[in-house]
Amino acid sequence: DTEVTQTPKHLVMGMTNKKSLKCEQHMGHRAMYWYKQKAKKPPELMFVYSYEKLSINESVPSRFSPECPNSSLLNLHLHALQPEDSALYLCASSLEGADSYEQYFGPGTRLTVT
Amino acid sequence: GDSVTQMEGPVTLSEEAFLTINCTYTATGYPSLFWYVQYPGEGLQLLLKATKADDKGSNKGFEATYRKETTSFHLEKGSVQVSDSAVYFCALVLTGGGNKLTFGTGTQLKVEL
Repeated sequence: DTEVTQTPKHLVMGMTNKKSLKCEQHMGHRAMYWYKQKAKKPPELMFVYSYEKLSINESVPSRFSPECPNSSLLNLHLHALQPEDSALYLCASSLEGADSYEQYFGPGTRLTVT
Repeated sequence: GDSVTQMEGPVTLSEEAFLTINCTYTATGYPSLFWYVQYPGEGLQLLLKATKADDKGSNKGFEATYRKETTSFHLEKGSVQVSDSAVYFCALVLTGGGNKLTFGTGTQLKVEL
């Protein structure tokens, strides 16, 4: 099973709301990622977790707060977002320990900030 | 810095035509190379990969060969179908690069009957 699941599929939120995106994988992967993708653009890396610890933060604004409660779950907490944060948010996972390991992506959450 | 360059799209082909999507890279080390495909409204799916020079990745009729001498990883398919219509991303990750994928800009493929 090479599936990464994400919920919700769609999310509309106001600029004062707090919401969370969820990601889950059961492939035994110990590296998990959050990406942001704008229309007609490639994904942009936001965060990387390795063995449940944050290893890379690509200078993402603090209104995005990641969390990795265990080796299968990854959350992205959203607060006080701006309309320009509207995008497709993708979660991915991979084996840890070698850069040649491929990343498996989820279907994404399409976020609209009003 | 490390980068991936892909041919501009959209590429429009008739069904059963031969497909080539060009991809070249610049890297300071020894990258692994990937092709991902994104169908409308979906996430990215790994299509194929190659981890060292002269490796050929293949999947679902698609092929790409890691050419170190030309720093290229062109995607090919002998006979495309309408169902191949999607955006294709070439990507690399450097050995020791902390699992950070560097993507090309993507190439949209449209296959018509």
